[in-house]
Order: sequence, then structure tokens, then C-alpha cells
Amino acid sequence: EAQVTQNPRYLITVTGKKLTVTCSQNMNHEYMSWYRQDPGLGLRQIYYSMNVEVTDKGDVPEGYKASRKEKRNFPLILESPSPNQTSLYFCASSFRDRVDSPLHFGNGTRLTVT
Amino acid sequence: AQSVAQPEDQVNVAEGNPLTVKCTYSVSGNPYLFWYVQYPNRGLQFLLKYITGDNLVKGSYGFEAEFNKSQTSFHLKKPSALVSDSALYFCAVREKSSASKIIFGSGTRLSIRP
Repeated sequence: EAQVTQNPRYLITVTGKKLTVTCSQNMNHEYMSWYRQDPGLGLRQIYYSMNVEVTDKGDVPEGYKASRKEKRNFPLILESPSPNQTSLYFCASSFRDRVDSPLHFGNGTRLTVT
Repeated sequence: AQSVAQPEDQVNVAEGNPLTVKCTYSVSGNPYLFWYVQYPNRGLQFLLKYITGDNLVKGSYGFEAEFNKSQTSFHLKKPSALVSDSALYFCAVREKSSASKIIFGSGTRLSIRP
């Protein structure tokens, strides 16, 4: 089954404790992206990757890191989480050269930073 | 700069009545337009897209959307609402010239009462 898999689904952590949210897709997509969803703000792009070893910042990259070592994986790293990073996070992927192709989303990771 | 506006935070419709969820956009070139739906505890799912051609596009679950270039709108419609249509709906735009940039609206919660 074609899918984007995120882990964990729920995560509660404390300020400053480094964490990684994993994302994997099995559709051979070149493009992968991370979003955070906050009430009233919709989805905002954190980082995106056009292919392996090609990663760039989105609209809200502060406090996050991301790197693409393999085509199927695109982990999101929070080096020193803070309470304002409490949010619902989504990973998504699509074909890079077919710009009309829709995004495929994971089921989300709900992060709480205390 | 690209932007997407969904002017209504919530839309309430009686089952069996027609529904409309509004979306307007702003891009510098020709856009690719998408609608996604989000059910509780799930990621976004693709509903339909406008690329070119016929201004009325049909998608999943009986939804359709009308592209209006002069009004820069892409409203989501359904002739007869179902209770199961209750969910959060997002409009998104992707510029043909920039595959990396996908902008989402703030979302509209659709509530269908029996």
C-alpha cells in the first residue's frame, strides 16, 4: 500500500530535550516536506527536500533541522524543543517533476513540549 | 507573494442541502489549485485539483470545484451534503514555476447536521 509513515503519533517531551520525528514514504517520491498545523493558521511549511541531499528551509524553519540522506526518509529534528513548538506535524511527499501531482500526507505527529 | 484565503472558519449545512466552501488565491503566474480534506486524527487527503481546461472539476466523494480566473477563486461545492462530509477542508495553491512552494489556506470546518 502506498503510504507516508510518521512516527511517533504522539510525543510529550520537556523543553530542551532533543527529539526526532521520522518520516518514510514508499512511493519513490522525490519531493518531501514537513508542515506544522496550528489552529487558524492552516499548514505552514518547515523544511522541504527536492531530492536526496537537497534540502531547503520553508516558511517557519527556526528551531528545526532536516536532512535527506535516503530517498524514502526525511526526518525532522528539534535540537532544543521549546513550548512554542507544541503543534501537530505532518510529513508529505509527491513527485517533483509532476507539479500537478497532489501531496500524500502521513497521519501526523502531535507534539507537546512542556 | 503567493497566498490563499479561506474566509470562513466554519460552514454549517443541513444534510441534503448544497454546500459551498470558499477559497480565493493570489499568485504571480498560472496556478495549480487543490482541495484536501482532513478527518479527525488523520492526515490530509487529496480531493481534487485544477490544472487547466474545464473550469468545473470533479473529485472524490461527489465533490466538485469551480475555477474562476477573473475572481481568482476556487470554491468547493457539493450538490447534496452528507453527515459524513463533516471535516476540515483546506485549499492549496502551487505555482507552475515553483514546484517546491505549496501554500495552504487556514482551513474551513464543515459541519453537516442531520
